[in-house]
Amino acid sequence: DTAVSQTPKYLVTQMGNDKSIKCEQNLGHDTMYWYKQDSKKFLKIMFSYNNKELIINETVPNRFSPKSPDKAHLNLHINSLELGDSAVYFCASSQGTSGGAYIQYFGAGTRLSVL
Amino acid sequence: ILNVEQSPQSLHVQEGDSTNFTCSFPSSNFYALHWYRWETAKSPEALFVMTLNGDEKKKGRISATLNTKEGYSYLYIKGSQPEDSATYLCAFMNTDKLIFGTGTRLQVFP
Repeated sequence: DTAVSQTPKYLVTQMGNDKSIKCEQNLGHDTMYWYKQDSKKFLKIMFSYNNKELIINETVPNRFSPKSPDKAHLNLHINSLELGDSAVYFCASSQGTSGGAYIQYFGAGTRLSVL
Repeated sequence: ILNVEQSPQSLHVQEGDSTNFTCSFPSSNFYALHWYRWETAKSPEALFVMTLNGDEKKKGRISATLNTKEGYSYLYIKGSQPEDSATYLCAFMNTDKLIFGTGTRLQVFP
């Protein structure tokens, strides 16, 4: 069983479209994250939710809207896609956040290509 | 701007060689330092989380040390094997978020 699963794995779409990426974790974790791997290969935090509440929002354009229907799911919806949104997006989860001692478990990534 | 730097960027070693990489991070507001192993086409997987100055962790042939006062961590691999080939990422926990380095790409040749 995959601990953190993201769908789809690949997403190719036109500029201006709206798309969603889904993430589910079966680890019973309280905290979930979205990361973007940029062109320089850095993994950068976008959002973090703890028990369905937003706790980190890293100056991401408001075209990106995370939604957490329950603590096992954190979906990422992107409106009006732009060329610069092309990247690999990773979902992750951890048991908690306090003190930074909790390891994060990552999904396999979603490669988004905006044409 | 908080930077996490890793060196070298890439490394090629022969099977059986021992190797080490460096992660440098800000020495203020330290909460934790994470090491992840990332194989191509797979998810990053956690190796270690270290929180205390002087921490040393070991997992099989891989070990790590932490110096929070000077802001660095070393990852060591003893007797490298081809299956150790991966990118090794470190990440610095600052208050509530992980800040990742770009990784050291290790290739071990048989």
